[in-house]
Amino acid sequence: DTGVSQNPRHKITKRGQNVTFRCDPISEHNRLYWYRQTLGQGPEFLTYFQNEAQLEKSRLLSDRFSAERPKGSFSTLEIQRTEQGDSAMYLCASQGGLSPPGANVLTFGAGSRLTVL
Amino acid sequence: SQKIEQNSEALNIQEGKTATLTCNYTNYSPAYLQWYRQDPGRGPVFLLLIRENEKEKRKERLKVTFDTTLKQSLFHITASQPADSATYLCALDPRSGSARQLTFGSGTQLTVLP
Repeated sequence: DTGVSQNPRHKITKRGQNVTFRCDPISEHNRLYWYRQTLGQGPEFLTYFQNEAQLEKSRLLSDRFSAERPKGSFSTLEIQRTEQGDSAMYLCASQGGLSPPGANVLTFGAGSRLTVL
Repeated sequence: SQKIEQNSEALNIQEGKTATLTCNYTNYSPAYLQWYRQDPGRGPVFLLLIRENEKEKRKERLKVTFDTTLKQSLFHITASQPADSATYLCALDPRSGSARQLTFGSGTQLTVLP
């Protein structure tokens, strides 16, 4: 597999339910990012991992959101007690490889679209 | 505060013409400027980046310019084809060592009419 894989691609849930998304990055990439994208907007940073360590979290990531990358490979993003405002595309991206030194080129997955009813 | 704007919500052009997309920014000094393509229901795909000290970069039918005085990048697609129809995102890259600082524009939706 040469790309970033995300599952599920679509999730429809009722308000108050918990949801979990999974991301499998490119295997040789050690940095993994989660972004959120709403309709008509660009991706917004949520959090990122260097190997298994979660190094930074955005203010957008409320207490209901948690992300893990237990073995430095795949990652999960869980949203507890979902709200309608959580409806968005959740994008995973990995970083590594042939970027020019210092540049932050990302390889994105296809995304997981969440609809909260 | 930092602000990034991409021209017009949607751009329609005729096949074969050159599409020109604009990315303007304020209160920012990026080391790189990146361009991504995003198809409906898919994640962005990296196309090109240009360094702060480069004026122009080309890749096949794509050309990017970067004017740090005007704080503007232009993205050109020459000999456009219907398959080029997509949303194009610019992203400011501060060379911070982490993509945490990448700031994306809201994108320009391009439609190439046959």
